Amino acid sequence: QQQVKQSPQSLIVQKGGIPIINCAYENTAFDYFPWYQQFPGKGPALLIAIRPDVSEKKEGRFTISFNKSAKQFSLHIMDSQPGDSATYFCAASTDFGNEKLTFGTGTRLTIIP
Amino acid sequence: NAGVTQTPKFQVLKTGQSMTLQCAQDMNHNSMYWYRQDPGMGLRLIYYSASEGTTDKGEVPNGYNVSRLNKREFSLRLESAAPSQTSVYFCASSLGQLNTEAFFGQGTRLTVV
Repeated sequence: QQQVKQSPQSLIVQKGGIPIINCAYENTAFDYFPWYQQFPGKGPALLIAIRPDVSEKKEGRFTISFNKSAKQFSLHIMDSQPGDSATYFCAASTDFGNEKLTFGTGTRLTIIP
Repeated sequence: NAGVTQTPKFQVLKTGQSMTLQCAQDMNHNSMYWYRQDPGMGLRLIYYSASEGTTDKGEVPNGYNVSRLNKREFSLRLESAAPSQTSVYFCASSLGQLNTEAFFGQGTRLTVV
């Protein structure tokens, strides 16, 4: 049973474009939604995170949009660069879940020059 | 500042062999986790430890055992390896206080033949 559904599986965008990765969740107890970035041969690293009391959060070129009623959230990368090419995972957890993360299946993003 | 250190980085086992994956963190984190990463499936939680002396099952615990040796170290043991356990294993740690960032190690690529 997949509690966090992520799409697309892969995405190719031209440099300067705005890739968008979408996630949907089922468990209404989730209240923390991080995005992790993973480069080949490395472990995932936290990119940006949001709580459901806000609808949008920006950090540099990365923005999370959150729709609580639809149980969906998405990652937008503004002015994308070849260095952003990586695998991106959305995740979710609950305040009382000992920070156990439930991950989406990942999106392999390629930014072409 | 080493963060989360996993050993070994690569391992090949024959079916039925046993081995222990080691993990240590130097950030004084309370919580530690073991995830496995498989293509198209994201990261799935195997076991976690909310504090020294406690361990709990995650989503996919069958075939694994863990030990929280002390606050710094959390090991994962495969008693009788199976080809289905071929995967990349990640150890992670976090403060354990209301969804703070999880820090991941660089992973162990395990192949069971």
